[in-house]
Amino acid sequence: EDQVTQSPEALRLQEGESSSLNCSYTVSGLRGLFWYRQDPGKGPEFLFTLYSAGEEKEKERLKATLTKKESFLHITAPKPEDSATYLCAVQAETGANNLFFGTGTRLTVIP
Amino acid sequence: DTAVSQTPKYLVTQMGNDKSIKCEQNLGHDTMYWYKQDSKKFLKIMFSYNNKELIINETVPNRFSPKSPDKAHLNLHINSLELGDSAVYFCASSHRLDRGPSYEQYFGPGTRLTVT
Repeated sequence: EDQVTQSPEALRLQEGESSSLNCSYTVSGLRGLFWYRQDPGKGPEFLFTLYSAGEEKEKERLKATLTKKESFLHITAPKPEDSATYLCAVQAETGANNLFFGTGTRLTVIP
Repeated sequence: DTAVSQTPKYLVTQMGNDKSIKCEQNLGHDTMYWYKQDSKKFLKIMFSYNNKELIINETVPNRFSPKSPDKAHLNLHINSLELGDSAVYFCASSHRLDRGPSYEQYFGPGTRLTVT
């Protein structure tokens, strides 16, 4: 059965303090791994798609990496506006086009 | 321009009622979805739908039914509402899977349903 586990559940950082969020996954053939950001009261906002082990993608202070078992979202010198819940999701090669989500990491960046 | 929109934003209703949530996307996508986010913030697929195929998550009660008047709309109808249906419901859309290796999904702002 497809499974996605994110850690930590919550993370508090000082502004400028870099860190990483983890997404461990088990899927019957990975078609894609997705990172989303969700602000309170809003829908998930797409950040990255990763397709194969070794792939990396960057956007501003965020960098996502992928191995055969996990993905990391590295946050460099975070700012308070980076505070949000970060969701990881996988899409399997078989079956429908839907995403299987983890429970997210709630990030708080303190000024 | 809003890519994926949902109405209403909030819906408060009593047990036993029937209600609908509307979703529209202007991204030209051909596949749409409904997800449910529970109180623990876990997002779970309910349906995926394009003009050829409806795929239903087997755990979804048959009181829930998607209706698509056209490619840009996928509404969610819920009959005989129960307390456990209280959650946030998200609509999403993407290109069809067979058009590429994988496509990201774009989500609407959500509808918070409260059943009393």
